[in-house]
Amino acid sequence: GQQVMQIPQYQHVQEGEDFTTYCNSSTTLSNIQWYKQRPGGHPVFLIQLVKSGEVKKQKRLTFQFGEAKKNSSLHITATQTTDVGTYFCAAGGSNYKLTFGKGTLLTVNP
Amino acid sequence: DGGITQSPKYLFRKEGQNVTLSCEQNLNHDAMYWYRQDPGQGLRLIYYSQIVNDFQKGDIAEGYSVSREKKESFPLTVTSAQKNPTAFYLCASTIGETQYFGPGTRLLVL
Repeated sequence: GQQVMQIPQYQHVQEGEDFTTYCNSSTTLSNIQWYKQRPGGHPVFLIQLVKSGEVKKQKRLTFQFGEAKKNSSLHITATQTTDVGTYFCAAGGSNYKLTFGKGTLLTVNP
Repeated sequence: DGGITQSPKYLFRKEGQNVTLSCEQNLNHDAMYWYRQDPGQGLRLIYYSQIVNDFQKGDIAEGYSVSREKKESFPLTVTSAQKNPTAFYLCASTIGETQYFGPGTRLLVL
């Protein structure tokens, strides 16, 4: 079945530093979604990328979809303590099924 | 107030016992999903249903059962055949390919 690898598994930063998480697939993806899960909470949808080379921004968050549609990244500029949580990528597939990466847990030291 | 509700928030299971987790949505979404989340494992799909009275196995269906008698409801039963049921269980529903998650149920084995 479809698999997506997400790295790093953990990332600890000082407040104000940047953060990036990467998602990679061996197969071409129809689309990729990103979700954020706060500690003790549930995943919340952030964004969906569909087009090759697509770049979308949400305030300090920048999302990219690779030209070959096999990889994606989420970059956070100048992290804040409110950014703490686990960030998941999820690859869209048939029957509206998603395949989730294992996530990157971000901790921020104030 | 629209959304997805899951109950209970915490559930304790004794050895050999079947337990049922509730998931209800009033979003009028057709598709619903059950995921299991273990630390460091991301989200793994247990079962999903695209329409009433129909459902399909996900990647880790063994030891679980579901029903979809109503559009709004998709209960999950953790049977005694599931030998390692301790986990965080998340229900989701879909509009298009974006998934909306409930708050989750934490299942613990006594």
